[in-house]
Amino acid sequence: QSALTQPPSVSGSPGHSVTISCTGTVSDVGSYNRVSWYRQPPGTAPKLLIYAVTTRPSGVSDRFSGSKSGNTASLTISGLQAEDEGDYYCSSYTSSSTVVFGGGTKLTVL
Amino acid sequence: QVQLVESGGGVVQPGGSLRLSCAASGFTFDIEGMHWVRQAPGKGLEWLTLILSNGNDKYYANSVKGRFTISRDNSKNTLYLQMNSLRAADTAVYYCARGGLGLSGLDVWGQGTTVTVSS
Repeated sequence: QSALTQPPSVSGSPGHSVTISCTGTVSDVGSYNRVSWYRQPPGTAPKLLIYAVTTRPSGVSDRFSGSKSGNTASLTISGLQAEDEGDYYCSSYTSSSTVVFGGGTKLTVL
Repeated sequence: QVQLVESGGGVVQPGGSLRLSCAASGFTFDIEGMHWVRQAPGKGLEWLTLILSNGNDKYYANSVKGRFTISRDNSKNTLYLQMNSLRAADTAVYYCARGGLGLSGLDVWGQGTTVTVSS
């Protein structure tokens, strides 16, 4: 049950796009389309941004999009805004019927 | 509205026990899977355990298997986490969250309850 691998930090300028990667293995990301992404503002609970690799829950901006290739999933945020700053986490269902999170990525809007 | 409210956190000595509760409202609790997730100070999210709607199917992370037990009372719309043999490394904010076997993500989260294991 090793954590999924995310870059510790990413940054981008307002209006630009950034992509956060999430690398797992054939036992999790690579075998299941059950990858989710969450944003966690400081001091608050996480909020679901994407589920089933590409699906946005109602109310989530279409500036957030997800994709997957092989063992790596990605979250792309387009049209960066200052309010997008925070910590982002990916997660995946695993072959052990468990869930594993990524280590988290801190997004800074320059 | 849809809401999860955790309670039961506090300070406990190493080796001690604690039971967390998560009260659900605003949705049909007995058809939903439920998770516990924790976050140690300054660290990332760590998934702990899942219980499906029937209350019989339960899954655990290796880090808590044998020490923590998830359960639910559908008549009370409440989820529980019994934590035994607590260690300093269990110090964290504990969140309950709604979700099943990863199909829809964890779409509703509580505000968290803090557990501190210290002598």
